Amino acid sequence: QSVLTQPPSASGTPGQRVTISCSGSSSNIGSNIVNWYQQLPGTAPKLLIYSNNQRPSGVPDRFSGSKSGTSASLAISGLQSEDEADYYCAAWDDSLNWVFGGGTKLTVL
Amino acid sequence: EVQLVQSGGGLVKPGGSLRLSCAASGFTFSNAWMSWVRQAPGKGLEWVGRIKSKTDGGTTDYAAPVKGRFTISRDDSKNTLYLQMNSLKTEDTAVYYCTSQGSYYDFWSGQYRYYFDFWGQGTLVTVSS
Repeated sequence: QSVLTQPPSASGTPGQRVTISCSGSSSNIGSNIVNWYQQLPGTAPKLLIYSNNQRPSGVPDRFSGSKSGTSASLAISGLQSEDEADYYCAAWDDSLNWVFGGGTKLTVL
Repeated sequence: EVQLVQSGGGLVKPGGSLRLSCAASGFTFSNAWMSWVRQAPGKGLEWVGRIKSKTDGGTTDYAAPVKGRFTISRDDSKNTLYLQMNSLKTEDTAVYYCTSQGSYYDFWSGQYRYYFDFWGQGTLVTVSS
């Protein structure tokens, strides 16, 4: 069981907007920033969003993040076939651990 | 260009030991906090532990499942991070990734905030008899 809760799967058609949720608690999301990672099949994870809503250089502005209370969301607009991947949220927990969500497998139909 | 190149890994029997290495380039390794993250086959990501820079004390923190069995260390003269794994169990079977931690100062909270910015290619550790 992961400390952060994500839906196991999500899907959308090309051009659609998809959101992925991430739920935590006061000791992690509630008091620390949320980061999102994209893992394409067979590759290492890649930083997608940091500090709740900041995109690293090179990440398209189709990807956006938000946080409210003990929950966070990743939104992908203008869905493309290359967005098909696993997405993970992560946050520092005040018990001195990094915690991850269980991951959401995004399918582009 | 930032690169984290991992080596080590392989097949080991339960109770055995293994050491992973992660050679860093393209950034000032000695200033970086570094972590290890693992991923069991078909499963999600799990944080293993971290080591701070020597400037920040060089201390380590570990996840509960590996505490007392795994040791993270660094050799700043070689720009290399290590993960020494002892008393390995079958449930330690996973792809292990080294990651660097980016940071920024959050003026609103007065704290530094961290994230895993660069990742190694991963190395498979299989614990099986």
